[in-house]
Amino acid sequence: QLQLHESGPGLVKPSETLSLSCTVSGGSISSSNIYWGWVRQSPGKGLEFIGSIYYSGNTYYNPSLKSRVTISVHTSKNQFSLNLSSVTAADTAVYYCARLRYSGDYGLDYWGQGTLVTVSS
Amino acid sequence: DIQLTQSPSSLSASVGDRVTITCRASQSMGNYLNWYQQKPGIAPKLLIYAVSTLQSGVPSRFSGSGSGRDFTLTISSLQPGDFATYFCQQSYNSPYTFGLGTKLEMK
Repeated sequence: QLQLHESGPGLVKPSETLSLSCTVSGGSISSSNIYWGWVRQSPGKGLEFIGSIYYSGNTYYNPSLKSRVTISVHTSKNQFSLNLSSVTAADTAVYYCARLRYSGDYGLDYWGQGTLVTVSS
Repeated sequence: DIQLTQSPSSLSASVGDRVTITCRASQSMGNYLNWYQQKPGIAPKLLIYAVSTLQSGVPSRFSGSGSGRDFTLTISSLQPGDFATYFCQQSYNSPYTFGLGTKLEMK
């Protein structure tokens, strides 16, 4: 059974970089036609798609966050990661990693449990 | 960005009721519309993809329909575990976007 698990700091200071990792178990991150993505959820903005990556390294970023986001894949570790720079309180949210079939055409079918990241000094 | 408007935003119903939730898109989207169920403190769960295809393991009382800009999620006979928040999501155009959700509560 495929499982995804997010890890990273739960508290980040304003203007610093939020860094999260997602470890995939029970399957290969290098599977064909499978993308890996990040979604966040906050009371104010609901669910927001941040971006996605293919095992080859091809990425897509939400234009609203593109200038601050980097998603990377680490195939040897079966992991992918999220960096979000210059954070503010508006970036406080629960961050989920998820699997996208066919780049998302068939939805996000596996999700991590989510990790709350609070931006505060 | 494609905006998804869900209605109602909240709904009270009883076990055994038939429930319909609507999702209207700001533009036509083909069949790239997905539905999720979320319970408090838990990640969303994919119920239906491509408008009407049931995700593996999802009970057949859930169904989806629609085309163009208008889509619906129907629960034919509510069960106790169905009280949750439901979201639609489009994968027709980047960036993928979600509706704001419909909270289904017990009457």
